[in-house]
Amino acid sequence: DSGVTQTPKHLITATGQRVTLRCSPRSGDLSVYWYQQSLDQGLQFLIQYYNGEERAKGNILERFSAQQFPDLHSELNLSSLELGDSALYFCASSLSGASYEQYFGPGTRLTVT
Amino acid sequence: GENVEQHPSTLSVQEGDSAVIKCTYSDSASNYFPWYKQELGKGPQLIIDIRSNVGEKKDQRIAVTLNKTAKHFSLHITETQPEDSAVYFCAAGGGFQKLVFGTGTRLLVSP
Repeated sequence: DSGVTQTPKHLITATGQRVTLRCSPRSGDLSVYWYQQSLDQGLQFLIQYYNGEERAKGNILERFSAQQFPDLHSELNLSSLELGDSALYFCASSLSGASYEQYFGPGTRLTVT
Repeated sequence: GENVEQHPSTLSVQEGDSAVIKCTYSDSASNYFPWYKQELGKGPQLIIDIRSNVGEKKDQRIAVTLNKTAKHFSLHITETQPEDSAVYFCAAGGGFQKLVFGTGTRLLVSP
């Protein structure tokens, strides 16, 4: 158990809908990272927050957004969902803003029908 | 940007054999190279990592080697066991660089 928690574990929704994925980092970690894992794309970095501020952006679509709250939990919002958004979404956390020693949560499996 | 290539994509070994997975990276500024193990239905688990000021690191049956000149690093698992069966990912980055992951190696250890 990495200490990173993610909810929900599974999510099934329809195209065009909006969902919110939630992540709580390990105790003491200030950075949260979001990754998307699909069968043909591997682990793709989406976005990083450090102590409430956006730190780095990867290949995140404009339909996706995230935020980190004062208690350091983070939410990833996915809107206008398309079939191709079906994937595993992982959250990871690390102690500092530098991307060393990232610990991953169990993931949320999103299925868009 | 950084690009990480990982080989092989699948690896089958007999229990007790050694397994080696290799990765190459493109960005000479990368200074951190972690390895993750992902079991079915779980998130990636950090199993070992190495920084660019070190050439080799060992932790029991696993070891990682880094050749900065050639920009490649490898994971070595000795005395493999069935519970080592999983998908292994390498990554490169560090500091204010994002981690870029390889495409994964599916390791199957047969009893």
